[in-house]
Amino acid sequence: GQQLNQSPQSMFIQEGEDVSMNCTSSSIFNTWLWYKQDPGEGPVLLIALYKAGELTSNGRLTAQFGITRKDSFLNISASIPSDVGIYFCAGAGQGAQKLVFGQGTRLTINP
Amino acid sequence: GAGVSQTPSNKVTEKGKYVELRCDPISGHTALYWYRQSLGQGPEFLIYFQGTGAADDSGLPNDRFFAVRPEGSVSTLKIQRTERGDSAVYLCASSSPGYNEQFFGPGTRLTVL
Repeated sequence: GQQLNQSPQSMFIQEGEDVSMNCTSSSIFNTWLWYKQDPGEGPVLLIALYKAGELTSNGRLTAQFGITRKDSFLNISASIPSDVGIYFCAGAGQGAQKLVFGQGTRLTINP
Repeated sequence: GAGVSQTPSNKVTEKGKYVELRCDPISGHTALYWYRQSLGQGPEFLIYFQGTGAADDSGLPNDRFFAVRPEGSVSTLKIQRTERGDSAVYLCASSSPGYNEQFFGPGTRLTVL
């Protein structure tokens, strides 16, 4: 099925570092969502974006809806051990309710 | 408040058997979604309900898969004649009317031997 291109696939960082990941699509999306998934659990919604160019923060997390509507970025500042997990981007097109997901970015933090 | 719940959390079955997976959405959420997640992949859409009706079932892989939501709340995903390739985590999500913010349950891990 269709998926978004998410990069990087994995990241190994030191505690306290900032993190950036992004998601691109060949199609235009009207909604971008970012989720975090821990092992054995369902994805947890972090941030939702609804307008091109929108920049939204949730604590140490900041996400942007790209101007072209074909990309989105997620930044995490001052990483802490509980940030470890898999981050997924997801998009929904015009009039669509179903979400298309990226392949995920696995974040590992060295203490 | 209570989130999305799914039962069972794990299901092991034999090839060719029939299985039912249940989802109980967040109270008041009229939209309900089923996704399937294979190991190392993002979730893939299966079907979307608005109320009692299936508004989009374009993600169901074949006619062995069927889902119902008879009273507009709890939904059941039914898989007939299971195959080993059906092994995956089946996720359910729900959302409020007019919003794309989908809230996921913990999933059911299905293993077909």
